[in-house]
Amino acid sequence: SQTIHQWPATLVQPVGSPLSLECTVEGTSNPNLYWYRQAAGRGLQLLFYSVGIGQISSEVPQNLSASRPQDRQFILSSKKLLLSDSGFYLCAWSSSYRAGAFFGQGTRLTVV
Amino acid sequence: DAKTTQPNSMESNEEEPVHLPCNHSTISGTDYIHWYRQLPSQGPEYVIHGLTSNVNNRMASLAIAEDRKSSTLILHRATLRDAAVYYCILSYNAGNMLTFGGGTRLMVKP
Repeated sequence: SQTIHQWPATLVQPVGSPLSLECTVEGTSNPNLYWYRQAAGRGLQLLFYSVGIGQISSEVPQNLSASRPQDRQFILSSKKLLLSDSGFYLCAWSSSYRAGAFFGQGTRLTVV
Repeated sequence: DAKTTQPNSMESNEEEPVHLPCNHSTISGTDYIHWYRQLPSQGPEYVIHGLTSNVNNRMASLAIAEDRKSSTLILHRATLRDAAVYYCILSYNAGNMLTFGGGTRLMVKP
């Protein structure tokens, strides 16, 4: 069966520090991968999605970037965090647009 | 891009059926209709999805209008654990994006 791993679960980082969140999927190949952010009390904002290695589409211009160095690995990064980057970051995968998407447990990031 | 419209909130009594509506009047012929739910402090959970025909699974049923401009998620017997925000979204062939709207906050009363 397929599983998605996302870590860490919580993170507290100072303003101006770098960020790297990793997401990996097991049990499938060539998944569509997604990064979402949810600010406190708000809806889910799609940040990036990827349909293959090295193929990244950005939905919102911001202080973040994403990379997909391997088929089942999706990384969210920032060189310098802002206070506004605080939120609940979620990684998700799907086999195609015809199938459902499955989410990781999320990383709760607080920038102080 | 096709959008969805859902009521902000709904209430239900425990052990009664719940019908959560979703309008997607600009849906395209190849767009799939997905439903997810998000419990407090958790990531979204896949519930069900479909294209044209009604769908059933262990969690819920999805009723899709004949013209596909609306759909209804049906929880057959609501429990307190079904209290969550329910999202109706469309998936596109182009770009494979899954964009979430505001969702419906379902409150279940004992």
